[in-house]
Amino acid sequence: GAVVSQHPSWVICKSGTSVKIECRSLDFQATTMFWYRQFPKQSLMLMATSNEGSKATYEQGVEKDKFLINHASLTLSTLTVTSAHPEDSSFYICSAKKLNSYEQYFGPGTRLTVT
Amino acid sequence: GESVGLHLPTLSVQEGDNSIINCAYSNSASDYFIWYKQESGKGPQFIIDIRSNMDKRQGQRVTVLLNKTVKHLSLQIAATQPGDSAVYFCAENISSGTYKYIFGTGTRLKVLA
Repeated sequence: GAVVSQHPSWVICKSGTSVKIECRSLDFQATTMFWYRQFPKQSLMLMATSNEGSKATYEQGVEKDKFLINHASLTLSTLTVTSAHPEDSSFYICSAKKLNSYEQYFGPGTRLTVT
Repeated sequence: GESVGLHLPTLSVQEGDNSIINCAYSNSASDYFIWYKQESGKGPQFIIDIRSNMDKRQGQRVTVLLNKTVKHLSLQIAATQPGDSAVYFCAENISSGTYKYIFGTGTRLKVLA
């Protein structure tokens, strides 16, 4: 149990376009989902915390108007990178947790390349 | 502050030997710690966790040690195998109630045949 999927697994888009990444908890209800960003050979950086039915909480330095997060149901959160630029190219990873549990279950990641 | 790395330290270990990967965490109020394994192009995979009221926890071939006095965490892998080659991250839950994780720099483990 506790499987998290992401879609797509990789995406290439042109500069100026928007890209939506989905994060789904397949066999449990995720009251909270987290979005991370990871550059090559670096650690995971938390971008935002998303609670079902409420606005996401963004970490310092993360532009909320650029990285739109929606958590409309207990099994789905989406991250939309708006007006993407090459510097947004990165590996985006989501995680999900159950109510009153510390453990986060991670998705397989989405590789975004902006040309 | 958070530990974010621009360099990825590498640990090379002979197959069959034991590996010890270290991590210094930043927040003395952190109450939950986790070790993750990440293979290239994949998401982090849970290995083992430990709460702050413990100083040692064992799993299958892995042991996590927690030293709260010096804010140090270690992961020991017994009889290291080629499949253990990956990047290993420690993560800390920075304070109770937020459930947010801060990830460490990461260590690349290379297993030599």
